[in-house]
Amino acid sequence: ETGVTQSPTHLIKTRGQQVTLRCSSQSGHNTVSWYQQALGQGPQFIFQYYREEENGRGNFPPRFSGLQFPNYSSELNVNALELDDSALYLCASFAAGGLETQYFGPGTRLLVL
Amino acid sequence: AQSVTQLDSQVPVFEEAPVELRCNYSSSVSVYLFWYVQYPNQGLQLLLKYLSGSTLVKGINGFEAEFNKSQTSFHLRKPSVHISDTAEYFCAVRRGSTGFQKLVFGTGTRLLVSP
Repeated sequence: ETGVTQSPTHLIKTRGQQVTLRCSSQSGHNTVSWYQQALGQGPQFIFQYYREEENGRGNFPPRFSGLQFPNYSSELNVNALELDDSALYLCASFAAGGLETQYFGPGTRLLVL
Repeated sequence: AQSVTQLDSQVPVFEEAPVELRCNYSSSVSVYLFWYVQYPNQGLQLLLKYLSGSTLVKGINGFEAEFNKSQTSFHLRKPSVHISDTAEYFCAVRRGSTGFQKLVFGTGTRLLVSP
């Protein structure tokens, strides 16, 4: 157990809809990263939040956005869903500023029809 | 920018046999290296990591890996596998410094252990 939880575990949406995925980090972890893992692929970095502000972003369009809250929870929002957004979405939390390991949650599997 | 290559998409092996999963990376700066395991329908679990110091790193579940800077490799090994080791294994790299910590993953190697 990593102490990182995600909800929901599974989700089905249709093209064009919007979705919000949630992550609850370990207490004391001030940084959260989000990754997209398509079927048969390794995780791809989406973005990272440090103390409630985005401080790094991968090669994902602006319709992928996020929020981080003071209570160690965070959200990933995806607008205008496309079929290719179907994937496992993973969040990872850690305490930035040193060499802390990233602890991953179990993921949310999103299916876009 | 960093990148990771896992040459073997799938490695079949018999129970109690040794196994090596290969990982090569490219980077123009110093890096930290990681191996994660993903069991079916689960998230990622850290097996081991190399940050500095001894190039032979020991992890959980009897796994170990050796950092080879000249060959830019970080191969994962286990002397005797169990059925329960069947899973997807990911090698990952990040810039070797404090601050922004983006992980770059390989495409994964599926380890299939049979009786």
